[in-house]
Amino acid sequence: GENVEQHPSTLSVQEGDSAVIKCTYSDSASNYFPWYKQELGKRPQLIIDIRSNVGEKKDQRIAVTLNKTAKHFSLHITETQPEDSAVYFCAASINTGFQKLVFGTGTRLLVSP
Amino acid sequence: GAVVSQHPSWVICKSGTSVKIECRSLDFQATTMFWYRQFPKQSLMLMATSNEGSKATYEQGVEKDKFLINHASLTLSTLTVTSAHPEDSSFYICSAQSSSGSRNTGELFFGEGSRLTVL
Repeated sequence: GENVEQHPSTLSVQEGDSAVIKCTYSDSASNYFPWYKQELGKRPQLIIDIRSNVGEKKDQRIAVTLNKTAKHFSLHITETQPEDSAVYFCAASINTGFQKLVFGTGTRLLVSP
Repeated sequence: GAVVSQHPSWVICKSGTSVKIECRSLDFQATTMFWYRQFPKQSLMLMATSNEGSKATYEQGVEKDKFLINHASLTLSTLTVTSAHPEDSSFYICSAQSSSGSRNTGELFFGEGSRLTVL
């Protein structure tokens, strides 16, 4: 089955800096890669996703890159703000009619003012 | 985005009792729902895939007799933790994927989560 690894487990940056979180996956058949932001005690919120037919996607300060050959994908947050502080999870899935997601271990991002 | 609602948001129960958690898709139909468990400071671990009108598919290591799942309609799935013990204390989250109409983008929508504490 699919295995998703995520690094780093914690990341501290200064406000305005960029943050990069990296994930690798094992199943070459995976074709959908979402990123979620989870605040303490809350539900995961989808922030960006990418499908296997593209290599990069950007939405304002957030971007995701995908390298299918190497089986890794990354989340890039630019101009970080304190409200970006949260736990971020990557995930991978194979769409067989429904999305059965396998999550990474999570990255706790702390943005200091 | 689409709305998935979970109830209760938190529950405290005595060891040995059973607890039922409901997951509802409020504005779309969901043929498939997923149940996750999240221990403190850990990732979301998929417990089972709930299919409307059929038996749930459980992940390896998840006891199907302990975690009963019922998906009786296209908008409701329930998870019952039977004979709960302190080690079952966790954050349980459901998610649903729309199976029809404009919501059928493949995106998963998560419920608010239910925090279970077993004394």
